[in-house]
Amino acid sequence: DTEVTQTPKHLVMGMTNKKSLKCEQHMGHRAMYWYKQKAKKPPELMFVYSYEKLSINESVPSRFSPECPNSSLLNLHLHALQPEDSALYLCASSQEVAGRGGELFFGEGSRLTVL
Amino acid sequence: AQKVTQAQTEISVVEKEDVTLDCVYETRDTTYYLFWYKQPPSGELVFLIRRNSFDEQNEISGRYSWNFQKSTSSFNFTITASQVVDSAVYFCALSESHRGNTPLVFGKGTRLSVIA
Repeated sequence: DTEVTQTPKHLVMGMTNKKSLKCEQHMGHRAMYWYKQKAKKPPELMFVYSYEKLSINESVPSRFSPECPNSSLLNLHLHALQPEDSALYLCASSQEVAGRGGELFFGEGSRLTVL
Repeated sequence: AQKVTQAQTEISVVEKEDVTLDCVYETRDTTYYLFWYKQPPSGELVFLIRRNSFDEQNEISGRYSWNFQKSTSSFNFTITASQVVDSAVYFCALSESHRGNTPLVFGKGTRLSVIA
């Protein structure tokens, strides 16, 4: 069983809705990540939080808004999404901050469909 | 320039066959890390192995083995006596240290189908 828990596993929303994806880890990791994965593509990095501070934003549109309330939680707030935003959204965490060789532990993802 | 190349998009093998998944990487760093992840249909990316650039020793873990060769910038993954449960998408990934907080860059993945 994964130690990174993501909810919900499936989400269907309209383009005018506001929803949130949630991620939780209790491994004491200090870095957390959001990745977006389209079908038959590799994961693409969206955001990185290190020590609860946003350290990387890969030019993600403002309709995606990350939040790290504490060291164990990571949220992704969604607003006014487009159908092309439909994808699997993966959360990950690592003991060491990115770039120092720490492996990332991934959740099972939240599969988002935007109608 | 693409950092990680997995030239094999899809591979199909019959159960009990051996199969090798290729990974070629590109970096100017002297310190870097290479990874393999498995993504079964459930969606979760499962960590398989990490190698740092100073450790070229090959590794074997059960039916899995990895061949790291800096001379050819390759980090290939072999599954011996494949099983149906090995069917998944396998990603090779690179983490470079010179950019500080740069996390993993994934290859495009290789979809492995093991047929009973």
